[in-house]
Amino acid sequence: QKEVEQNSGPLSVPEGAIASLNCTYSDRGSQSFFWYRQYSGKSPELIMSIYSNGDKEDGRFTAQLNKASQYVSLLIRDSQPSDSATYLCAVTPEGNNRLAFGKGNQVVVIP
Amino acid sequence: GAVVSQHPSRVICKSGTSVKIECRSLDFQATTMFWYRQFPKKSLMLMATSNEGSKATYEQGVEKDKFLINHASLTLSTLTVTSAHPEDSSFYICSAIRAGTYNEQFFGPGTRLTVL
Repeated sequence: QKEVEQNSGPLSVPEGAIASLNCTYSDRGSQSFFWYRQYSGKSPELIMSIYSNGDKEDGRFTAQLNKASQYVSLLIRDSQPSDSATYLCAVTPEGNNRLAFGKGNQVVVIP
Repeated sequence: GAVVSQHPSRVICKSGTSVKIECRSLDFQATTMFWYRQFPKKSLMLMATSNEGSKATYEQGVEKDKFLINHASLTLSTLTVTSAHPEDSSFYICSAIRAGTYNEQFFGPGTRLTVL
């Protein structure tokens, strides 16, 4: 089982709609959870950090964490063409400070 | 915000030469920095973990004598690709953990290395 799984294929959403991304992780002891955005040819940019169960909102982004289900999600509201990128879910395994990344989900926002 | 810089952003070199890449945390201290490599349309691959004042920890399959890492201060880590070959051409990215956070890693803009 992979440490972090992002199984959905490319996601196309119309401008103004909500984009929903999901991620599961295998290490039940994980404590820190992140979403990064990576534009083509650029490095990842941290957009959300979440550490406790529930929702965390920052602007148009909402992260949701459910440790019992080992599940992290990201919602992007009012999607804009500038949101078109690959979104990486990342988790810090227990007793470690490195990041375990999912493969990423490509999001395409259609004007 | 937490800013990480890398220098150079792009380098082209001849096969057999060595290239040094600098990674700096500009507005925070970073006890731990990481070096990644990313090939086109592939996932990030962690190469090594760099702790200030100690030897780097390399991931399996990464040659420590080829990829020399020095983390001399709380704001600077360097990666030297020794005797570079065309297969070393890649996008090298560093990241740094901001002290006082729960392992929030901030990435530098990356260095694109092309070995001819």
